[in-house]
Amino acid sequence: KAGVTQTPRYLIKTRGQQVTLSCSPISGHRSVSWYQQTPGQGLQFLFEYFSETQRNKGNFPGRFSGRQFSNSRSEMNVSTLELGDSALYLCASSSGIDQETQYFGPGTRLLVL
Amino acid sequence: AQSVTQPDIHITVSEGASLELRCNYSYGATPYLFWYVQSPGQGLQLLLKYFSGDTLVQGIKGFEAEFKRSQSSFNLRKPSVHWSDAAEYFCAVIPNDYKLSFGAGTTVTVRA
Repeated sequence: KAGVTQTPRYLIKTRGQQVTLSCSPISGHRSVSWYQQTPGQGLQFLFEYFSETQRNKGNFPGRFSGRQFSNSRSEMNVSTLELGDSALYLCASSSGIDQETQYFGPGTRLLVL
Repeated sequence: AQSVTQPDIHITVSEGASLELRCNYSYGATPYLFWYVQSPGQGLQLLLKYFSGDTLVQGIKGFEAEFKRSQSSFNLRKPSVHWSDAAEYFCAVIPNDYKLSFGAGTTVTVRA
């Protein structure tokens, strides 16, 4: 099986812009979770989607949003970018049933200038 | 407060020596427990997991971890470290809500 894929791998944006990141889960997985990794805050949970519905949400402002499509692919969007949004954004997929193991993609590194 | 603690920020070990990384959690019930490894600029790779049953868990790359309920710990071990084991290691738990909570990570440096 192919692993979790994320596109793009690298992005450079300027403050105030918006960005959309994409994640394709492992075939058959219905849950996609998003995490932000920064040197200061570590790995933090953003949100999780299961069968096109947001099932869990972390403590991030409304500028961070996401969605999931019928094929389980997911996108996350960050609007009005701030310098502090510079981070590695990781996507993870799982079956979504009974706390199954999450498998991570390589991440998208976002730099906000 | 619920948390995952990795007490060691950085560990340096000689190649061929043994390695132990500590992880403690603070949750009401035993959560699902994981160890992940991250090489520079890469995503997270699952090393091993504990859901229930045998408290000594074998993983990939020669790693093992032991769950101790009485100590709320899930320490990771490797008998003989290779230079390729240099990376950052994260302990993580899922209490009961599908959200992985991570420790701060331990960076492992391997010296020749």
